[in-house]
Amino acid sequence: QLQLQESGPGLVKPSETLSLTCTVSGGSISSSSYYWGWIRQPPGKGLEWIGSIYYSGSTYYNPSLKSRVTISVDTSKNQFSLKLSSVTAADTAVYYCASPSRGNWFDPWGQGTLVTVSS
Amino acid sequence: EIVMTQSPATLSVSPGERATLSCRASQSVSSNLAWYQQKPGQAPRLLIYGASTRATGIPARFSGSGSGTEFTLTISSLQSEDFAVYYCQQYNNWPPLVTFGPGTKVDIK
Repeated sequence: QLQLQESGPGLVKPSETLSLTCTVSGGSISSSSYYWGWIRQPPGKGLEWIGSIYYSGSTYYNPSLKSRVTISVDTSKNQFSLKLSSVTAADTAVYYCASPSRGNWFDPWGQGTLVTVSS
Repeated sequence: EIVMTQSPATLSVSPGERATLSCRASQSVSSNLAWYQQKPGQAPRLLIYGASTRATGIPARFSGSGSGTEFTLTISSLQSEDFAVYYCQQYNNWPPLVTFGPGTKVDIK
């Protein structure tokens, strides 16, 4: 059974870089023909797609975040990672990683991790 | 960029009643539409993909329909565990760009 787990600091200072890693177990990142995703959800608000990555390293980003986002993959560790630079309080959110299924929809998702941007 | 809208923002329904949720895309997404259910403190759960195919383990009371720009999620007889927020998501197979709708909250009438 495929499982995903986000990890990283829960508190980041304004103007710094948010870094998160998603560890995949029960399956291989390299086995999927589709893109693995990062999605976030500010407290009390809806879902926002951040970007997606293929096991080869090909990436696509939300145009509204593209200038600040980098997603990378490490197939040897079965992980993919998110970096978001120059964060502000508006970047405070629960960050989810998610697996593609037999297309670019997401199933399953990680449990999510809350990242707070505050000094 | 494809913009997704959902209506209504909140739907108040009595247990046992039918709920009909709408999702609209700013341009055609063919049948590349998924629905998710999210309960407080939980990650979203996939309900429907391909606009009308139920995901594994999803009860038959959940059904999806539509194509192009207009989509509907129907819950035929609401159970207590169905009160939640529902999101639609469009996905392209290529390029793999994704957009979520703002969500519809289904609460108890």
